[in-house]
Amino acid sequence: AQKVTQAQTEISVVEKEDVTLDCVYETRDTTYYLFWYKQPPSGELVFLIRRNSFDEQNEISGRYSWNFQKSTSSFNFTITASQVVDSAVYFCALSSSGSARQLTFGSGTQLTVLP
Amino acid sequence: DSGVTQTPKHLITATGQRVTLRCSPRSGDLSVYWYQQSLDQGLQFLIQYYNGEERAKGNILERFSAQQFPDLHSELNLSSLELGDSALYFCASSVSGTASGNTIYFGEGSWLTVV
Repeated sequence: AQKVTQAQTEISVVEKEDVTLDCVYETRDTTYYLFWYKQPPSGELVFLIRRNSFDEQNEISGRYSWNFQKSTSSFNFTITASQVVDSAVYFCALSSSGSARQLTFGSGTQLTVLP
Repeated sequence: DSGVTQTPKHLITATGQRVTLRCSPRSGDLSVYWYQQSLDQGLQFLIQYYNGEERAKGNILERFSAQQFPDLHSELNLSSLELGDSALYFCASSVSGTASGNTIYFGEGSWLTVV
């Protein structure tokens, strides 16, 4: 079975602070894919990034960056210089090449950025 | 805009009734997924169709059914509705039949309230 744990239920920061959202995953498969999605208050799920298990290179996209570490089974997401518009629920998700090919989601982290 | 279209956006219905949620996948995507998001269960995979055929089943109740039509749009039918079925129902799509190697794009969801 595969599992995704987002231990931080809620995080509150002041605008311009950096914030890191943690994601720890479990899977027995050697080939798997990790995702981050953003769910703003309006409710839609917005795709942010996909990373495969063979690519441990960290990625940066504007103010967003992702740190993938297989050794600790973690795929953490950092927002630099946070903005009020970053306020949302962020979900980490996992899919694998094994039997559970559908996305397994973590419980989400509610990020609130205060002005 | 993910390109996945869901209707209706909001729906209020009474217990015992039946509703149909509709989804049009992104252009070129052959796979359609249905997910349920509720406060107590989080984001749960319900069912997947690929090119008209059922590909995988998740935590879908027997009172729920789905199908994918030749034009690739999909419908999720929810019957004998109970208060606990109130949730946000997402449709998602991807190019291939396996979630693992492809990005899954989500629609804006259909908010179902059972009263």
